[in-house]
Amino acid sequence: QQQVKQSPQSLIVQKGGISIINCAYENTAFDYFPWYQQFPGKGPALLIAIRPDVSEKKEGRFTISFNKSAKQFSLHIMDSQPGDSATYFCAASASNYQLIWGAGTKLIIKP
Amino acid sequence: KAGVTQTPRYLIKTRGQQVTLSCSPISGHRSVSWYQQTPGQGLQFLFEYFSETQRNKGNFPGRFSGRQFSNSRSEMNVSTLELGDSALYLCASSPDSLGNYEQYFGPGTRLTVT
Repeated sequence: QQQVKQSPQSLIVQKGGISIINCAYENTAFDYFPWYQQFPGKGPALLIAIRPDVSEKKEGRFTISFNKSAKQFSLHIMDSQPGDSATYFCAASASNYQLIWGAGTKLIIKP
Repeated sequence: KAGVTQTPRYLIKTRGQQVTLSCSPISGHRSVSWYQQTPGQGLQFLFEYFSETQRNKGNFPGRFSGRQFSNSRSEMNVSTLELGDSALYLCASSPDSLGNYEQYFGPGTRLTVT
């Protein structure tokens, strides 16, 4: 019940396309859902986060869509660029400050 | 503000030895978490410290231990190193203020066990 399942494991998208990464969870107590971006040789960095009281949050080209009834949330990257090539992690927390992490998605944007 | 710093950045140890890794959180952050990252395994949570107390713990053997000092700096120790301990060890700090769960990661320490 503590798991966060992330898919796909890897993704190749053409430059200018839309990248979509999905995560699913079981624990209805989760109340914070962040996405992190990690470049090789660096630690993960917070990209965008959402709470369950909203269904969508947009920051620039990055959007989180949240479906509370389906217990799913996804990251959409619009107009994907080669600089977006990185590993993306979803996570969830249930107010105890411990993040439960997805397995990660390696995204490659082809020029 | 300076970011999270971790030392050393790279480390090579021999099986059976022990190692200590250090993490300095962002100024004002009181929570420090440690993660192990290996290819194909994602981020595995080790433990989290807040005000010098271990608040959360992952499913790692007792060879992995940590502590936090009064200035919020944290160390993690791995005793009797095994080849499988080779990984990137990441430290993350958090403001830990009400409702703020954001974690800020350091660059990690790359540990190689031979």
